[in-house]
Amino acid sequence: GAGVSQSPSNKVTEKGKDVELRCDPISGHTALYWYRQSLGQGLEFLIYFQGNSAPDKSGLPSDRFSAERTGGSVSTLTIQRTQQEDSAVYLCASSPPSGMSERGYEQYFGPGTRLTVT
Amino acid sequence: GENVEQHPSTLSVQEGDSAVIKCTYSDSASNYFPWYKQELGKRPQLIIDIRSNVGEKKDQRIAVTLNKTAKHFSLHITETQPEDSAVYFCAASSRTGFQKLVFGTGTRLLVSP
Repeated sequence: GAGVSQSPSNKVTEKGKDVELRCDPISGHTALYWYRQSLGQGLEFLIYFQGNSAPDKSGLPSDRFSAERTGGSVSTLTIQRTQQEDSAVYLCASSPPSGMSERGYEQYFGPGTRLTVT
Repeated sequence: GENVEQHPSTLSVQEGDSAVIKCTYSDSASNYFPWYKQELGKRPQLIIDIRSNVGEKKDQRIAVTLNKTAKHFSLHITETQPEDSAVYFCAASSRTGFQKLVFGTGTRLLVSP
């Protein structure tokens, strides 16, 4: 079946502009995560959505970052007033309800959006 | 909060050799430890995971060991092949449950023919 998809695949923006990154999770997956991967670094947790529960926003680096998930499916990560240090690959992942599969905790990643702030 | 350290940052081996990557974590309440493989230009994919109620898990050429007392876990790859070349990330769950993962900084493994 279709995996996690993200758009755009690449985004170049000028410092100070706002950007929106989109994530389409795997159908039926209740959990959705956003990570940031800077060059040569690990995956930095940003935010986590689980069903209708309040999202865990503890990883958002500043109030310029926000995310929403509409209808329990598609998610949008918004970065306002972008800075050069925001340049990174933004990865989205989703996972099925716990216990629904042998690997119920596996996170399925999308291909990422490479953001470059000039 | 949880902190995960991963070593080495790069590892070069000859085809057929074994490779070992080590991670330490700080939060004694962490109870889930997955390993993800990321090939160049591709997305991370889960290769093996272990929960805190077991000390070792194997899947063909890969194995993971966990020492809860010392708060460290390791990935072992035997009979390495060129297609094992990738960046490997370890991770640990936070107190809030399995889903919120804290990742290590990754190990770039290069397997030379």
